[in-house]
Amino acid sequence: AQTVTQSQPEMSVQEAETVTLSCTYDTSESDYYLFWYKQPPSRQMILVIRQEAYKQQNATENRFSVNFQKAAKSFSLKISDSQLGDAAMYFCAYRTYNTDKLIFGTGTRLQVFP
Amino acid sequence: NAGVTQTPKFRILKIGQSMTLQCTQDMNHNYMYWYRQDPGMGLKLIYYSVGAGITDKGEVPNGYNVSRSTTEDFPLRLELAAPSQTSVYFCASSFSRGVNTEAFFGQGTRLTVV
Repeated sequence: AQTVTQSQPEMSVQEAETVTLSCTYDTSESDYYLFWYKQPPSRQMILVIRQEAYKQQNATENRFSVNFQKAAKSFSLKISDSQLGDAAMYFCAYRTYNTDKLIFGTGTRLQVFP
Repeated sequence: NAGVTQTPKFRILKIGQSMTLQCTQDMNHNYMYWYRQDPGMGLKLIYYSVGAGITDKGEVPNGYNVSRSTTEDFPLRLELAAPSQTSVYFCASSFSRGVNTEAFFGQGTRLTVV
């Protein structure tokens, strides 16, 4: 069974600084998608960034980028120039081509200090 | 564009009561999901559906039932509510395999069983 592990329950960063959130996953599949979702206090789940496993190039979306290491089964999220609005829970998620299930990690709570 | 709509937003149930959480989407997605999120935890998959008439169990299906008679609707039924079912419930939908595999989420239903 596929699992997603986020080993950092909480992280903090100062405004304008850079922070990296960790995610590892366990799978025997070769084709899959990886996602980072943000959940602010409003509870809304917001897609931050996605990565297709067959792509070697790391995905980027403005201040957000990932470090995808397929062999190590690692998918970390880097937030550059952190802003107060980045404070939220961040969830790493995994989806295979074959099982159609979207599996989430336990989340990392990010605090941003001025 | 309404996206994914869940009702109700809040509900208090007594032990042993039953209820249905409603979920509807207007994006013509064929995949739909139900998750529960316990305090400070990640999302656990309860049930999912890959199309009308097709449903399958996720990680934590006990105590719940689902049906998918139309593409748009995916209600979640709780029979004989128990305190362990106190949680926030999220419905989500997505297209099937392909480039647009992002899952869109509803606003969640906070359920308390007393």
